[in-house]
Amino acid sequence: AQSVTQLDSHVSVSEGTPVLLRCNYSSSYSPSLFWYVQHPNKGLQLLLKYTSAATLVKGINGFEAEFKKSETSFHLTKPSAHMSDAAEYFCVVIPHTGGFKTIFGAGTRLFVKA
Amino acid sequence: DGGITQSPKYLFRKEGQNVTLSCEQNLNHDAMYWYRQDPGQGLRLIYYSQIVNDFQKGDIAEGYSVSREKKESFPLTVTSAQKNPTAFYLCASSTRDRIYEQYFGPGTRLTVT
Repeated sequence: AQSVTQLDSHVSVSEGTPVLLRCNYSSSYSPSLFWYVQHPNKGLQLLLKYTSAATLVKGINGFEAEFKKSETSFHLTKPSAHMSDAAEYFCVVIPHTGGFKTIFGAGTRLFVKA
Repeated sequence: DGGITQSPKYLFRKEGQNVTLSCEQNLNHDAMYWYRQDPGQGLRLIYYSQIVNDFQKGDIAEGYSVSREKKESFPLTVTSAQKNPTAFYLCASSTRDRIYEQYFGPGTRLTVT
């Protein structure tokens, strides 16, 4: 069965410090992996995607993520948090089984303190 | 400006009433999706449509219905059979070959009392 687990429901960092949002997946097939960001009462925006090319993926707003098959992880990082990064982040898996199945993690709320 | 619009932003209904949520896109995307978002549960797929006049059930289709008569429109009806309809509903669209790159609307928050 395919699944995605975001290991922290909430993460709090100070402005200017690094951000780490953790995501582990389970998939019988080679998956594609994504991170989306959602600001309060808004839709979701694609941050970055991994689709079997380079394992270190760079996204928008300085975020990046590394696909580690041996650890079945796809953690999202940013070297220096900004106040505008405060939002909810979703890790998403699309197993390559065909069809339109997308599996969303439960989300991680990022708080950024001044 | 291309994008997806959902209306209204907030919707209030009495229990037992059907309600239809609007979703329109002008991105010329073939595929459209409806998700439900509840606190702490991420997004769950209700219905999706790959092409006009065709749609499939997602993970939680019970109590919902959709239509896809036009490429740009994918309305969702929340029926009285849906046991817990209060939620934030998100519509999205994509091209058929890049389903991971979904463009989301701003959402509709439905409250049923």
